[in-house]
Amino acid sequence: QKEVEQDPGPLSVPEGAIVSLNCTYSNSAFQYFMWYRQYSRKGPELLMYTYSSGNKEDGRFTAQVDKSSKYISLFIRDSQPSDSATYLCAMNAGANSKLTFGKGITLSVRP
Amino acid sequence: NAGVTQTPKFQVLKTGQSMTLQCAQDMNHNSMYWYRQDPGMGLRLIYYSASEGTTDKGEVPNGYNVSRLNKREFSLRLESAAPSQTSVYFCASSLTSNANTGELFFGEGSRLTVL
Repeated sequence: QKEVEQDPGPLSVPEGAIVSLNCTYSNSAFQYFMWYRQYSRKGPELLMYTYSSGNKEDGRFTAQVDKSSKYISLFIRDSQPSDSATYLCAMNAGANSKLTFGKGITLSVRP
Repeated sequence: NAGVTQTPKFQVLKTGQSMTLQCAQDMNHNSMYWYRQDPGMGLRLIYYSASEGTTDKGEVPNGYNVSRLNKREFSLRLESAAPSQTSVYFCASSLTSNANTGELFFGEGSRLTVL
């Protein structure tokens, strides 16, 4: 089993839809959870960061972590065409540990 | 504000040729990384440098070498390119290797094709 599994997609939604992107993981030592966004032919950039379990909101984006289920989610409300990108989850166990990335899911928001 | 700059952006090689990918960051970061990204495989760490003067293997180091030339620059060398090394290569940097936020700053990528 891969340490981090991410729905492969691709995902296509109409503008204004609520989008849910998910990752599961197997390593119970993971404590720090991130979502990176990658536009076509660009490098990934950090979108959201969460420590341990709970929710974090930033504008239209909400990151949710459920450590008991080893499951993380990224919700996008009122999705926009500009949200069309590949979203990668990433996580690590803290100091001196490297990030483990999911494979990424490509989201397309149709006008 | 350049951030992380990679050169070249595109390269086509023949099997057996060698080349070096260059990376420079202007954010005074201590740690630098090389990743490759392949369809269906996600981002995989090739090598990293936690600080100037140190380098360590990542998940997929075979066929590659690295040099941390100074604090700003971290190069990746393919000594004898193989078709399996066709990929998009990303250089990244972070303030320290102990950054618990895990925030990496990525370059725009170098697309390498090996024929």
